[in-house]
Amino acid sequence: QSVLTQPPSVSEAPRQRVTISCSGSSSNIGNHAVNWYQQLPGKAPKLLIYYDDLLPSGVSDRFSGSKSGTSASLAISGLQSEDEADYYCAAWDDSLNGVIFGGGTKLTVL
Amino acid sequence: QVQLQESGPGLVKPSETLSLTCTVSGFSVSSGDYYWNWIRQAPGKGLEWIGYIYHSGSTNNNPSLKTRVIISLDTSKNQFSLKLNSVTAADTAVYYCARQSSSSRHKSLDYWGQGTLVTVSS
Repeated sequence: QSVLTQPPSVSEAPRQRVTISCSGSSSNIGNHAVNWYQQLPGKAPKLLIYYDDLLPSGVSDRFSGSKSGTSASLAISGLQSEDEADYYCAAWDDSLNGVIFGGGTKLTVL
Repeated sequence: QVQLQESGPGLVKPSETLSLTCTVSGFSVSSGDYYWNWIRQAPGKGLEWIGYIYHSGSTNNNPSLKTRVIISLDTSKNQFSLKLNSVTAADTAVYYCARQSSSSRHKSLDYWGQGTLVTVSS
């Protein structure tokens, strides 16, 4: 059972924009940075966004992140078919003293 | 560049111990700035944090796995390992190792292994 809540799935047409929400609590998102991971089919997760809204080197600027209070969002603009993947939010959790993940959101590009 | 690679048996019998090793290249596990994590993903499910080990040898595990988890470090081989005992079918998953910054405020998991599928079955 995930402590961070994400919608199970989202879908949008190519070239459009989609957002994925992630809701937590004061012991995780409210007190720590949110990181986002992209998992392409059959692959290992890859760091997509760190420290709420920063992009690692090599990640397209079509991806962006934001955080407010105990919630965070991932936005993907100019959707492409290769963006079809599972997306996970994660944050350090004070109760766990470790990382907590969201349940994941499957993005379908129509 | 930093690379992580999991290795170990792909099939484990119920009630036995699952043992995996993560070999790190391009970076020293003795570095004081990182946690070395194990994460798993059951078929069709999300990611679950198992635990981590620090360069000092201190560890922390997910309480959901209670006392079944042991994570150890072998600095001479630049590896860290996972032992999960008394496994059941519910432990069938792809197991990933990953590096996590311990000193940064974001504590992101910046490098991951490719993952290894472990099936628990008789």
